[in-house]
Amino acid sequence: DAGVIQSPRHEVTEMGQEVTLRCKPISGHDYLFWYRQTMMRGLELLIYFNNNVPIDDSGMPEDRFSAKMPNASFSTLKIQPSEPRDSAVYFCASSLGGVLSKLFFGSGTQLSVL
Amino acid sequence: GENVEQHPSTLSVQEGDSAVIKCTYSDSASNYFPWYKQELGKRPQLIIDIRSNVGEKKDQRIAVTLNKTAKHFSLHITETQPEDSAVYFCAASKGGGADGLTFGKGTHLIIQP
Repeated sequence: DAGVIQSPRHEVTEMGQEVTLRCKPISGHDYLFWYRQTMMRGLELLIYFNNNVPIDDSGMPEDRFSAKMPNASFSTLKIQPSEPRDSAVYFCASSLGGVLSKLFFGSGTQLSVL
Repeated sequence: GENVEQHPSTLSVQEGDSAVIKCTYSDSASNYFPWYKQELGKRPQLIIDIRSNVGEKKDQRIAVTLNKTAKHFSLHITETQPEDSAVYFCAASKGGGADGLTFGKGTHLIIQP
């Protein structure tokens, strides 16, 4: 298995533009998590899904952020419109069995909003 | 929701010495406490975890202790080596419901040769 796959690895965009981050979880995993990492705030949970259903989106900072999981093998995190303070590394992770199980992280997307 | 505090933010030790990283959590219902290691530019990876029905767990040079009464847990690394240099994150969760895994802000461990 190739592990959790995220794309793109790096994204540079201008303020106000729409940004879409993509994630393919490990096949068979039933939980998918989106985290944001910054120096100031560390790893913050944005949202997580169980069997493609959003369970907790309380970490999504604003209405500018949205996430979808249309099927078991694909999820997106969208920011519209983007702002400089959204600059961070965004990690997707998946697990089998939930939050009490090992998380497998993707390589992350480094987002820079100018 | 859960709040996890981690200390210190940076820890520098001589190679061969021991390193201890401490975390406290706020929700007494939390029952799962993993530790993740993140090397520079890499993804976080699980190195050890402990559940609330045990007080200590060891895996070679790494050990984790849990004190549920005081709501704190610690990571102990003995005989540190250069490859131990990384950022270490503690986390806590009570599982189920609407709560995910809450991470501490991380400890940058530096192993001095």
